[in-house]
Amino acid sequence: IVLTQSPATLSLSPGGRATLSCRASQSDSSYLAWYRQKPGQAPRLLIYDAFTRATGIPARFSGGGSGTDFTLTISSLEPEDSAVYYCQQRSNWLYSFGQGTKLEIK
Amino acid sequence: EVQLVESGRGLVQPGRSLRLSCAASGFTFDDYAMHWVRQPPGKGLEWVSGISWDSDTTAYADSVKGRFTISRDNAKNSLYLHMNSLRTEDTALYYCAKEGLTGGGFDYWGQGTLVTVSS
Repeated sequence: IVLTQSPATLSLSPGGRATLSCRASQSDSSYLAWYRQKPGQAPRLLIYDAFTRATGIPARFSGGGSGTDFTLTISSLEPEDSAVYYCQQRSNWLYSFGQGTKLEIK
Repeated sequence: EVQLVESGRGLVQPGRSLRLSCAASGFTFDDYAMHWVRQPPGKGLEWVSGISWDSDTTAYADSVKGRFTISRDNAKNSLYLHMNSLRTEDTALYYCAKEGLTGGGFDYWGQGTLVTVSS
């Protein structure tokens, strides 16, 4: 499965709302995860099964979509939300990541 | 506290081999599938390989199939990646990652170990 994320870069102001998109080349399962990676850090799981928040992730992060089109919405943006966000899907035992969306909050 | 600690970093010449290890603690290791994910310098994430809790299922990205072998030792709470016929394009930070139950994403990651393939 090829995952295409858009936009490549997103620049928004604090307090705003970000909508990140992830499109899959085929629909195989509801396994769709989102990760955030800050510079110099390992990725952190935000959302799994398309819309379930991982442990410790605040409610301002929400996942949606189905089939081949998925979104990650981040509301009440904070400067520390600046990071690269990746989506991930699985087809049987083959996993793939999108190329990432760089979110800048300034 | 869940911890994943990778080791085995190094500078190797093309065509040589290297073994990475990941020591796991803070959870019941043999309950979970485990994975290796890599990230070339300045680039995005690439899933490399995964293994089921009981080692019955292993899977590989096309880019490493036939060259890399994933394995685990549940008695030692350890995950391994044997890398043969290394290429310059294998240069990356290699992360060990734990998969959540029922396939709920990769919920814990190590800090990564750097592999540089260069002559």
